[in-house]
Amino acid sequence: GENVEQHPSTLSVQEGDSAVIKCTYSDSASNYFPWYKQELGKRPQLIIDIRSNVGEKKDQRIAVTLNKTAKHFSLHITETQPEDSAVYFCAASTSNSNSGYALNFGKGTSLLVTP
Amino acid sequence: EAQVTQNPRYLITVTGKKLTVTCSQNMNHEYMSWYRQDPGLGLRQIYYSMNVEVTDKGDVPEGYKVSRKEKRNFPLILESPSPNQTSLYFCASSNARRHTKNTEAFFGQGTRLTVV
Repeated sequence: GENVEQHPSTLSVQEGDSAVIKCTYSDSASNYFPWYKQELGKRPQLIIDIRSNVGEKKDQRIAVTLNKTAKHFSLHITETQPEDSAVYFCAASTSNSNSGYALNFGKGTSLLVTP
Repeated sequence: EAQVTQNPRYLITVTGKKLTVTCSQNMNHEYMSWYRQDPGLGLRQIYYSMNVEVTDKGDVPEGYKVSRKEKRNFPLILESPSPNQTSLYFCASSNARRHTKNTEAFFGQGTRLTVV
């Protein structure tokens, strides 16, 4: 099955700096790559996603890049703010699998933005 | 308001006492799933359902059962809970359908289960 590796497990940046979280996946059939943010004590919520026919997607301070050949994708947060502090999960999924769109999650990155 | 609702939010139980965690969604989603979240392990899928009366195992199904008698409900059943099932559980639903684009998963608010 799909294996998603996520790095780093913890990341501390100063407010205003950029943060980058990287993920790799193993199943070349994966074609959907969402990123979820989980604030302390809350549920995971989608912040951005990218499909395999696109190399980059941006939404204000957040961007995601995808390299299908290398099977890795990254989350970039620019001009970080304290409210960006949370655990971020990457995931990979395929709509062609018999496993029914399972979201295979990375283990998460705990991001801390210090003022 | 579109939402996924889990109950209870918190539960402490004893080993071997059967329990059910309910999950309900009001978005008419076909796809529903259960995850457990453990420190350092991320979110792991327990079971999923692609439609009514269609369920299948995820990555960590041992010790769990599910049912999907109605589209909106997807309860998680622990017939004989053990301490290693102490975890944070999330139900999720999405509009994913076979051979169509995968879409956003909406998560419930979570159920923190402690088995002593």
